[in-house]
Amino acid sequence: EAQVTQNPRYLITVTGKKLTVTCSQNMNHEYMSWYRQDPGLGLRQIYYSMNVEVTDKGDVPEGYKVSRKEKRNFPLILESPSPNQTSLYFCASRTSGSYEQYFGPGTRLTVT
Amino acid sequence: KQEVTQIPAALSVPEGENLVLNCSFTDSAIYNLQWFRQDPGKGLTSLLLIQSSQREQTSGRLNASLDKSSGRSTLYIAASQPGDSATYLCAVLDAGNMLTFGGGTRLMVKP
Repeated sequence: EAQVTQNPRYLITVTGKKLTVTCSQNMNHEYMSWYRQDPGLGLRQIYYSMNVEVTDKGDVPEGYKVSRKEKRNFPLILESPSPNQTSLYFCASRTSGSYEQYFGPGTRLTVT
Repeated sequence: KQEVTQIPAALSVPEGENLVLNCSFTDSAIYNLQWFRQDPGKGLTSLLLIQSSQREQTSGRLNASLDKSSGRSTLYIAASQPGDSATYLCAVLDAGNMLTFGGGTRLMVKP
């Protein structure tokens, strides 16, 4: 089944403790991206990657890092999480040609 | 910068009604427009994708139209059902590869 997977789905952590949210897609998509969703602010792009080893900032990249060492994986790294990074995070990948977006199930992160 | 607006923000209708959700965008230089459905606390499910060169797309009871020159898209849902209750999001992809979302329309269909 074609899908985007994220892990973990739920995470509660403390300020300053480094964490990684993994994202994987099995559709051989070149383009992948990360979004956060907050009440009243909607979905905002954090980082995106056009291909392996090619990443760039989205609208709200501060406090986040990404890497793209393999085509299928695009992890989101929070080196020193803060409470304002409490949010619902989505990973997405995109087809070539039609540029249709496919989203993962989301990761609900709480930073205390 | 692209701005996407969805009206209304919330909508409540009785089962069986046909309804229209609206999406407008400020910059008509888009690559495509995509409609999504999101259930509470869940991920986004793609409903319809309209390329900039297309006028409409249909899938079952859903029909989406696009008027790029006026910066508008509509999602038409025929014969609404309680299972259609969800938040509907539109998103436009611009030539700079940026995907911009609207704030969503929260739909409730009452039995």
